[in-house]
Amino acid sequence: GDSVTQMEGPVTLSEEAFLTINCTYTATGYPSLFWYVQYPGEGLQLLLKATKADDKGSNKGFEATYRKETTSFHLEKGSVQVSDSAVYFCALDYNQGGKLIFGQGTELSVKP
Amino acid sequence: EAQVTQNPRYLITVTGKKLTVTCSQNMNHEYMSWYRQDPGLGLRQIYYSMNVEVTDKGDVPEGYKVSRKEKRNFPLILESPSPNQTSLYFCASYETQSMSYTFGSGTRLTVV
Repeated sequence: GDSVTQMEGPVTLSEEAFLTINCTYTATGYPSLFWYVQYPGEGLQLLLKATKADDKGSNKGFEATYRKETTSFHLEKGSVQVSDSAVYFCALDYNQGGKLIFGQGTELSVKP
Repeated sequence: EAQVTQNPRYLITVTGKKLTVTCSQNMNHEYMSWYRQDPGLGLRQIYYSMNVEVTDKGDVPEGYKVSRKEKRNFPLILESPSPNQTSLYFCASYETQSMSYTFGSGTRLTVV
């Protein structure tokens, strides 16, 4: 079946460091790919998405490119801030509203 | 404001005592779903609903029931809660035009 695998956390960075959180997926079809962010004590917010191969999603300085050849959707940010500390989830779905399939989440902690 | 509202936010209960977690959305979305979040496992789908009176099992439906009598409401029912249902629960709705999910703020359930 379909699945999503993320790099294990926690990831601890200093402010202004470069961030990469790896995400790979296994899919039987052609899903859309998502990154969601969960700030402490809050629900999930959509950070960015890409709906087809080679699409790049971007938002708030974060970006990720849908790579079909490597089945990856790695999240990157050039300069992280303390306010980026959160748990990040990679996910896929088939745009049918039925189900998001999530990775296990990666906790990011940014120190001043 | 477009939102998904879950209640309660926090609940501590005892094994075997029936409980209901409510979920309501004000966006007229057809699709709604329930997920549970556990450390190291990400979010896993419990049940979903495609419309009024149409529901289907997700990946971890055992011990849960749902109903969809009105489009806006999708309650999650635990008829006889057990400690392994201690978790963080999220309700979500899906908008077909934008192909996007909106999540509630979560319900942290502890079963002792």
